[in-house]
Amino acid sequence: QSALTQPPSASGSPGQSVTISCTGTSSDVGGYNHVSWYQQHPGKAPKVMIYEVSKRPSGVPDRFSGSKSGNTASLTVSRLQAEDETDYYCSSYAGSNNWVFGGGTKLTVL
Amino acid sequence: EVQLVQSGAEVKKPGESLKISCKGSGYSFSSSWIGWVRQMPGKGLEWMGIIYPGDSDTTYSPSFQGQVTISADKSISTAYLQWSSLKASDSAMYYCAKRSFTSNWFDPWGQGTLVTVSS
Repeated sequence: QSALTQPPSASGSPGQSVTISCTGTSSDVGGYNHVSWYQQHPGKAPKVMIYEVSKRPSGVPDRFSGSKSGNTASLTVSRLQAEDETDYYCSSYAGSNNWVFGGGTKLTVL
Repeated sequence: EVQLVQSGAEVKKPGESLKISCKGSGYSFSSSWIGWVRQMPGKGLEWMGIIYPGDSDTTYSPSFQGQVTISADKSISTAYLQWSSLKASDSAMYYCAKRSFTSNWFDPWGQGTLVTVSS
């Protein structure tokens, strides 16, 4: 299966909102409500921020939200803070015990 | 606390074999899928495969089928990723991650094992 498509970069000023898209196909993003988003700081392991398209694990700020329309999922980070500046990856279940990741988006807080 | 602890960094030569590990604690290791993810230097995350330690049911990404072997020993709560003949292109960070009991997302992740293959 091919990687999900994410923009390489996104940016926003502190306090603003930014949305990162993640485009797949009907075999992954469009076919399952099993899209998750991971935050990865340099030199660290990924950390889940959103699961099942729009659910937040305990401890994740409500500034992070997710949605999906058709074959495209989105992560929105509201009220941007300096600590949000890092890499974000989407992931989708793709059936038959397989998953696929996006190429990653580097979020810059201006 | 649910935790995955991976084995330490490895430096190997092309053609050598390698087995890295991922030890789970704080939960029923046999009852939860463990996935493996590759991250090449400066690149994104790549799905490699997943194993159910309870019965060693394993699924590989088509991209990694035949290139690596995923296994587990439930008696010591440890999953493994191994290579029989390393290539320079296997140099990467490798993460294990626990699949949610009830859904298709992963948490927590191990700290990662850096594999360097160089002559």
